Amino acid sequence: DAKTTQPNSMESNEEEPVHLPCNHSTISGTDYIHWYRQLPSQGPEYVIHGLTSNVNNRMASLAIAEDRKSSTLILHRATLRDAAVYYCILRDVGNNNDMRFGAGTRLTVKP
Amino acid sequence: DTGVSQDPRHKITKRGQNVTFRCDPISEHNRLYWYRQTLGQGPEFLTYFQNEAQLEKSRLLSDRFSAERPKGSFSTLEIQRTEQGDSAMYLCASSLRVIAGGGEQFFGPGTRLTVL
Repeated sequence: DAKTTQPNSMESNEEEPVHLPCNHSTISGTDYIHWYRQLPSQGPEYVIHGLTSNVNNRMASLAIAEDRKSSTLILHRATLRDAAVYYCILRDVGNNNDMRFGAGTRLTVKP
Repeated sequence: DTGVSQDPRHKITKRGQNVTFRCDPISEHNRLYWYRQTLGQGPEFLTYFQNEAQLEKSRLLSDRFSAERPKGSFSTLEIQRTEQGDSAMYLCASSLRVIAGGGEQFFGPGTRLTVL
């Protein structure tokens, strides 16, 4: 399985943008890049996903490198409610089954 | 509430006892997943169902673990002869089957198991 590498932790100030990096140098052409986050004492929740082009939704933006070996989740204005563990996951287009989570990045948002 | 629900939210048991957890997915979702999460780690895939068929099981799912999804609706996860190493959060998720990209999985709040 293609693996992802993320920093263990990051800090941000409230109302500032946050860029969460993810390296996936062994990504295959059929792997989608998914991001989930897990708030304290809750199950993970979907944030965004993409294949090649940058993606935007109401929660975040996903910037994908041209060679697809890395990606960045962008929170445009961090709030205290964004403090969570963020997971970057690769999912093969032909495999809608399990998701392989790593340890993720723990984001701390300071007021 | 139309999200994924799990019951119980917490379970404390003694080593050697059997425990059973229940997951009620979002009603129109045909896929259901079980994960296990230990402290400081991301969730680990255990098994998944498409409707009532169990289509994949992780090597983490030892013979003491069994999951069912009768009639393709709710699912149960049973652990027999619990061990202290089974202490973890057990997460359930559901999704619709999609063709490309992987369907968004909706997670429940989890059942926290403590084995004494």
